[in-house]
Amino acid sequence: EAGVTQFPSHSVIEKGQTVTLRCDPISGHDNLYWYRRVMGKEIKFLLHFVKESKQDESGMPNNRFLAERTGGTYSTLKVQPAELEDSGVYFCASSRTREGIQYFGAGTRLSVL
Amino acid sequence: GQSLEQPSEVTAVEGAIVQINCTYQTSGFYGLSWYQQHDGGAPTFLSYNALDGLEETGRFSSFLSRSDSYGYLLLQELQMKDSASYFCAVRDHTGGFKTIFGAGTRLFVKA
Repeated sequence: EAGVTQFPSHSVIEKGQTVTLRCDPISGHDNLYWYRRVMGKEIKFLLHFVKESKQDESGMPNNRFLAERTGGTYSTLKVQPAELEDSGVYFCASSRTREGIQYFGAGTRLSVL
Repeated sequence: GQSLEQPSEVTAVEGAIVQINCTYQTSGFYGLSWYQQHDGGAPTFLSYNALDGLEETGRFSSFLSRSDSYGYLLLQELQMKDSASYFCAVRDHTGGFKTIFGAGTRLFVKA
């Protein structure tokens, strides 16, 4: 069984540009989560999808961040326009049930210059 | 608010036992998880405690005391490959159902 995959693994962009991160969850996992870790701090929750619906997006920092999960399969997280403080590692995780173990991808390291 | 505290770094020698503590503050506590992350890798699930007591999985054990809002991860017979970051994470029901992570404990295992 393939794990959670994220693309790209690294992205370097300039302030003001747009970046789209992609996450492919484990097949059959209805629950998909986005997290971010900035500068060695805590892994911070961004949002939670159940299938294609946003269950909880209370962790999204502002309206420059847009997450989608069309069809309830893969998800994208778009940052537009990117700011310096958006730099960090963005993790995606998936679980079969809401209470189930979350399996993480290796993350996308985003550097905004 | 919601917060978790864990030490930033711990150093131990190969073959030893190390305990990583985690205290938490949350209003909708559901359970405590532990994750391991090697540099550049994905956080990997280690254990989960919903009830008070000790859960053992091989060389790793995890403990929870809900009354003390406290838990720990115990690693025995340390090996060099155990050098990694360890995160405690609380499942919280406040305003939704989310997982809140600590800042992680960096474990260095020396020969």
